[in-house]
Amino acid sequence: QLALTQSPSASASLGASVKLTCTLSSGHSDYAIAWHQQQPEKGPRYLMKVSSDGSHIKGDGIPDRFSGSSSGAERYLTISSLQSEDEADYYCQTWGTGIRVFGGGTKLTVL
Amino acid sequence: EVQLVESGGDLVQPGRSLRLSCAASGFTFNDYDMHWVRQAPGKGLEWVSTISWHSGNIGYADSVKGRFTISRDNAKNSLYLQMNSVRPEDTALYYCAKDSDIVVPSPIEHWGQGTPVTVSS
Repeated sequence: QLALTQSPSASASLGASVKLTCTLSSGHSDYAIAWHQQQPEKGPRYLMKVSSDGSHIKGDGIPDRFSGSSSGAERYLTISSLQSEDEADYYCQTWGTGIRVFGGGTKLTVL
Repeated sequence: EVQLVESGGDLVQPGRSLRLSCAASGFTFNDYDMHWVRQAPGKGLEWVSTISWHSGNIGYADSVKGRFTISRDNAKNSLYLQMNSVRPEDTALYYCAKDSDIVVPSPIEHWGQGTPVTVSS
């Protein structure tokens, strides 16, 4: 069954970098995923698509500080030069015909 | 500019029905798969239902299968969610969402602002 796993929480210091992980379920390691950001009290915002080959395509207006990569069944979101506004929930998402799947989300705290 | 505007959210008693609507603009509506995604208070995003651009492929989360029905009217650029036999656990903010690519399944790229549904007696 298609599923995504994320760590519930992560933290990093202001100005530092952080790498969030999303793991695809067994048998689905070739799937692309998307990353979405949800700041407190706001709706979700699409950040980027990350493919199995590690390439990524960002949404409109997404800063260069955000990047994506892949290794096996894992998909990553790296945020560099962390800013206070990066404190948010981050969700990975994948898709198939007639189905969309979300990971449980990672709450990022900027220290 | 892509706009997705949900409406129809309300306070509803358990077992009753509710119909959500999503008015789309700023893109060719009938080229894209569309979705409903919900978020219960303090919880994560949960996919609810998907309808393909031609309405030929429809999917539901197990939690709503048999109770909710997704539909679209491409002439009216509108997406709908008919919610029957609602339960307290259906309480959530319901988002309308759109794929990034035409015709094929792809990432969700655009989100509405959400419409709140509260199921309580």
